[in-house]
Amino acid sequence: NAGVTQTPKFQVLKTGQSMTLQCAQDMNHEYMSWYRQDPGMGLRLIHYSVGAGITDQGEVPNGYNVSRSTTEDFPLRLLSAAPSQTSVYFCASSYLPWTSGEGDEQFFGPGTRLTVL
Amino acid sequence: KNEVEQSPQNLTAQEGEFITINCSYSVGISALHWLQQHPGGGIVSLFMLSSGKKKHGRLIATINIQEKHSSLHITASHPRDSAVYTCATRFGNEKLTFGTGTRLTIIP
Repeated sequence: NAGVTQTPKFQVLKTGQSMTLQCAQDMNHEYMSWYRQDPGMGLRLIHYSVGAGITDQGEVPNGYNVSRSTTEDFPLRLLSAAPSQTSVYFCASSYLPWTSGEGDEQFFGPGTRLTVL
Repeated sequence: KNEVEQSPQNLTAQEGEFITINCSYSVGISALHWLQQHPGGGIVSLFMLSSGKKKHGRLIATINIQEKHSSLHITASHPRDSAVYTCATRFGNEKLTFGTGTRLTIIP
């Protein structure tokens, strides 16, 4: 299993540009989520999904869109990049905690370091 | 408000010392996660526990559900243990709530 993969690893954008951060997992996890990590702060949830076709907002959703057309993929779109979106983005996946007797161990991707100029 | 608090925020210790990082939460939960992130690195799940104690190598995690408290211990600490350690939990079926992390530095 490749686990959770993210592309790209690094990205530099100019203000106003749009882009998509890719996230994929091959563990058949229902739950996928996107976080951003800013210096000195804990992980903050941007959007999450409990299955294909179902997404919901997290703590800091403004400026981001997501879709979940397949169980495997959960792309994050930046609509019009702003310097405030400079951060490290992590994608994570797990089984749903309320359906898995094994619990919801989180598997994280390697992260995407995004700089918006 | 459902909250997760960690202490200390920063911890510097000499190689070989016994390390304890604490995590407390505001209301009852079913399970708590401990995560590790090395400088510039990805995030790794160390433990997920709902009761008692779990051990993996030199790392030990304990949880007291009644006291709403969990600890992560590192025995015989080593410079490679230098990382940010974060606890996280769900309140009910809600989204994961993360502590702000503990930055651990082990000096040779």
